[in-house]
Amino acid sequence: EDQVTQSPEALRLQEGESSSLNCSYTVSGLRGLFWYRQDPGKGPEFLFTLYSAGEEKEKERLKATLTKKESFLHITAPKPEDSATYLCAVQASLGAGGTSYGKLTFGQGTILTVHP
Amino acid sequence: NAGVMQNPRHLVRRRGQEARLRCSPMKGHSHVYWYRQLPEEGLKFMVYLQKENIIDESGMPKERFSAEFPKEGPSILRIQQVVRGDSAAYFCASSPRGYRSGNTIYFGEGSWLTVV
Repeated sequence: EDQVTQSPEALRLQEGESSSLNCSYTVSGLRGLFWYRQDPGKGPEFLFTLYSAGEEKEKERLKATLTKKESFLHITAPKPEDSATYLCAVQASLGAGGTSYGKLTFGQGTILTVHP
Repeated sequence: NAGVMQNPRHLVRRRGQEARLRCSPMKGHSHVYWYRQLPEEGLKFMVYLQKENIIDESGMPKERFSAEFPKEGPSILRIQQVVRGDSAAYFCASSPRGYRSGNTIYFGEGSWLTVV
């Protein structure tokens, strides 16, 4: 069974204090690893998809990296508006028997709070 | 997020009533997913549909829940005889293609169901 574990559960930072969020995963063949941001009362907002170990993607103050066992979301010089829950999810490759693996398996998320 | 349209955003039902949640995917997307987020829990996959086809319903409760994505019109998640434990946020997501090619899965803003 695919599993995703995110750490820490909650992270408090001062504005400008860089840090990283961790996403450890086990999956029967990785099709893609997804990062989303979710604000209270809203749906997940897509950030990145990573497909293979060694891949990196950046967007403003965020940078996502991927290894064979985990992914990191690095936040550089965060601002209060970066406060949100960050979700990691994996999508498995197609398995034997033709069963669809279109679904995402999510972690519990990391609640990030950035204080001014 | 704005591309995947869900309604209603908030729904209150009494125990035993039926709840119908609608989802219109982003323009050009033919693959729809439903996820449920229970209070204090992560997002859990329920069902994956294409037009007129259920591809993967491995996350759907065996009873009272059903989903469809007709040739014309939105996808519908139907919950019969609701119980208090069905109170949750239900998110719809869509993608332009399935797992076979690189794709990004976009989420709607969610439908919050409260059972009283």
